[in-house]
Amino acid sequence: NAGVMQNPRHLVRRRGQEARLRCSPMKGHSHVYWYRQLPEEGLKFMVYLQKENIIDESGMPKERFSAEFPKEGPSILRIQQVVRGDSAAYFCASSQRQRQETQYFGPGTRLLVL
Amino acid sequence: KNEVEQSPQNLTAQEGEFITINCSYSVGISALHWLQQHPGGGIVSLFMLSSGKKKHGRLIATINIQEKHSSLHITASHPRDSAVYICAVKFSQGNLIFGKGTKLSVKP
Repeated sequence: NAGVMQNPRHLVRRRGQEARLRCSPMKGHSHVYWYRQLPEEGLKFMVYLQKENIIDESGMPKERFSAEFPKEGPSILRIQQVVRGDSAAYFCASSQRQRQETQYFGPGTRLLVL
Repeated sequence: KNEVEQSPQNLTAQEGEFITINCSYSVGISALHWLQQHPGGGIVSLFMLSSGKKKHGRLIATINIQEKHSSLHITASHPRDSAVYICAVKFSQGNLIFGKGTKLSVKP
């Protein structure tokens, strides 16, 4: 049973470009969470999604960031017009049902903005 | 303000030592998680608990709801235990709030 998968593992973008981060949850999991870990800082919640629905996006920056979890395919975190401050590790986690349950984390995508 | 504080920030131990990492939080929670982040960056969920104590191998996690405090213990520590240990709490129906982590280094 494959765990949570994220790709790419490393992503380099120049300022102003777009970054797309993908997350495939564990088989049978329909709840996905995105977290950001800035250098030398702790993890911070960004967004919580179920299939085709954004449940809680209270941690998402108001501009340039969006997330989706379509009926088919992985969840995608999209960052438009990246800036140097977006450089961070982005982790995806999934759970089978509600967010009260144990979340299983992916390996993360390390984004570097030049 | 919902806060999570971990101590110590950094911890160096000799192989075989008993290790304790502490986590305190500011208000009542519905659950507390202990996570392990490997040097390569991957995150593993170790425990989720809302009361009492849980044990898995050499790892033991305890929580005291009244005192708003949890501890993670590692018995007979080994260099492969070297990692960052992160405490995360869930307040009611909210999302996980993470501590800044404790960086553990176990020397052979």
